[in-house]
Amino acid sequence: EDQVTQSPEALRLQEGESSSLNCSYTVSGLRGLFWYRQDPGKGPEFLFTLYSAGEEKEKERLKATLTKKESFLHITAPKPEDSATYLCAVRAKGYDMRFGAGTRLTVKP
Amino acid sequence: NAGVTQTPKFRILKIGQSMTLQCTQDMNHNYMYWYRQDPGMGLKLIYYSVGAGITDKGEVPNGYNVSRSTTEDFPLRLELAAPSQTSVYFCASSYGSTNEKLFFGSGTQLSVL
Repeated sequence: EDQVTQSPEALRLQEGESSSLNCSYTVSGLRGLFWYRQDPGKGPEFLFTLYSAGEEKEKERLKATLTKKESFLHITAPKPEDSATYLCAVRAKGYDMRFGAGTRLTVKP
Repeated sequence: NAGVTQTPKFRILKIGQSMTLQCTQDMNHNYMYWYRQDPGMGLKLIYYSVGAGITDKGEVPNGYNVSRSTTEDFPLRLELAAPSQTSVYFCASSYGSTNEKLFFGSGTQLSVL
């Protein structure tokens, strides 16, 4: 069965303190790994899609990377506005997108 | 551009009551989905639709029903509400299916007491 595990569950950083979020996955026939950002009381908002091992995508202070077993979301010099829950999801066969439970990131000024 | 719109935002039901969660999108997307999100758990797919008149079950369909009479609308029906259906419900849409990102609504927080 397809599985997605995110770690840590919660992460507290000081402004400017870089770190990484992990997404480990087990899936047959990966068709895409997705990162979403979710703010409190809102729906997830798309950040990146990665399709094959070795691929990297960047957006402002965020950089997503992909291997055959896991993906990392690197956050460089975070700001308080980066505080949110970050969700990882994988799409394999069919129409379902399997989501991890998320990492709740708090960036203190 | 409104995107995906869900109503209501909050609702409290008594056990055994029924209700419909509304979802509409204005992006002309073919694919629409209903997910539920519980604390500490990933989003779980309830039902999905690949176009008007076509729906299918997801991972957790029991206790729910859907219909898709138009491209824009994808309502979710709860019959005989149970406490286990207390959750946050998200509607989403995408243009295609396999490699397409999802666009989400802002969610409906439902409590069944």
